Amino acid sequence: DSGVTQTPKHLITATGQRVTLRCSPRSGDLSVYWYQQSLDQGLQFLIQYYNGEERAKGNILERFSAQQFPDLHSELNLSSLELGDSALYFCASSASGTRGNEQFFGPGTRLTVL
Amino acid sequence: AQKVTQAQTEISVVEKEDVTLDCVYETRDTTYYLFWYKQPPSGELVFLIRRNSFDEQNEISGRYSWNFQKSTSSFNFTITASQVVDSAVYFCALSSNYNNNDMRFGAGTRLTVKP
Repeated sequence: DSGVTQTPKHLITATGQRVTLRCSPRSGDLSVYWYQQSLDQGLQFLIQYYNGEERAKGNILERFSAQQFPDLHSELNLSSLELGDSALYFCASSASGTRGNEQFFGPGTRLTVL
Repeated sequence: AQKVTQAQTEISVVEKEDVTLDCVYETRDTTYYLFWYKQPPSGELVFLIRRNSFDEQNEISGRYSWNFQKSTSSFNFTITASQVVDSAVYFCALSSNYNNNDMRFGAGTRLTVKP
């Protein structure tokens, strides 16, 4: 158990809908990262937050957004969902926001868009 | 360019065999970090090791060992006396200043250990 929690574990929704994925980092970790894992794209970095502020952005679509709250939990919002958004979404946390910190991953949320 | 290549898509071995998973990386940075993660069938990603670019010492942890060679831009992972529980997808990843904190993952190698 990495100490990172993600809810829900599974999510099934329809195209055009909006969903919110939630992540709680390990106790004491200030940085949260979001990743998408799909069969065709592999594991891709989406976005990073550090202590409530956006720190780095990867291949995140404009339809997707995230935030980190004062209690350090984070939410990833996916809107206008398309079939291709079906994937496993991971949240990871690290102690600080600096490069090189090992990131500890949550169990993931499997999103299925029908 | 920032890139991690795991050329072996799938490897199958019989229990107790040794197996090496290859990882080749590309980066323009002189300071960077390399990682290995394991993704068992249950789906979670488990951190195995981190290496920085200034530390080329090989590392051994039980049946696991890692060989970092800057001259060939490789960071290979060997499992000695493999076990069925080692069956998983293994990812190599690179983090460097070129792309801030973006951790770039390789495509992964699926290892199947048969009894």
